[in-house]
Amino acid sequence: DAGITQSPRYKITETGRQVTLMCHQTWSHSYMFWYRQDLGHGLRLIYYSAAADITDKGEVPDGYVVSRSKTENFPLTLESATRSQTSVYFCASRGQSNQPQHFGDGTRLSIL
Amino acid sequence: QKEVEQNSGPLSVPEGAIASLNCTYSDRGSQSFFWYRQYSGKSPELIMFIYSNGDKEDGRFTAQLNKASQYVSLLIRDSQPSDSATYLCAVKRDGEYGNKLVFGAGTILRVKS
Repeated sequence: DAGITQSPRYKITETGRQVTLMCHQTWSHSYMFWYRQDLGHGLRLIYYSAAADITDKGEVPDGYVVSRSKTENFPLTLESATRSQTSVYFCASRGQSNQPQHFGDGTRLSIL
Repeated sequence: QKEVEQNSGPLSVPEGAIASLNCTYSDRGSQSFFWYRQYSGKSPELIMFIYSNGDKEDGRFTAQLNKASQYVSLLIRDSQPSDSATYLCAVKRDGEYGNKLVFGAGTILRVKS
């Protein structure tokens, strides 16, 4: 089915571990985004991508790495997880300039 | 000052009433505004978006822009219990490789039957 899919939906890991969150979209959208959502902060942009191999930092990029080798995939990696990165992570995508963003179902990440 | 601010609520309204949600923004040059609804444990879904050239109505929802005071409102007429959710306001912002959204923290709406 067309849409945007995140995996895993839930993840528990330990501090210092590397963890990768996956995002896949089937709309051929140019733009993809990663947000984290924490109580009292709303959605904060971590990184975004305008096309394959074009990425840029958002509001809270520290501790995260992204890549985009294919248009449909936009993985987010926490290279050495910290407790402060416990959050709900949302991936989103959109087409060109004035089109709205559509969100995936989210990944709930807990770091112990 | 945050770029986009919303009252966290909760805003409680009786069923059938009009719910009025507000969002203020700091950049006077902002031209595109979005309202998302987020049910508990779910992802945000787009309700409406408006541009700086005017208000917009879609069914029970109306989005209004007050450029002079730099706020955007979402009115929900005939509120239903199913409207109970968190409403996120977002403003479009230019980035180096295209535009992106800056979100407020959201307002919790509770519609009581």
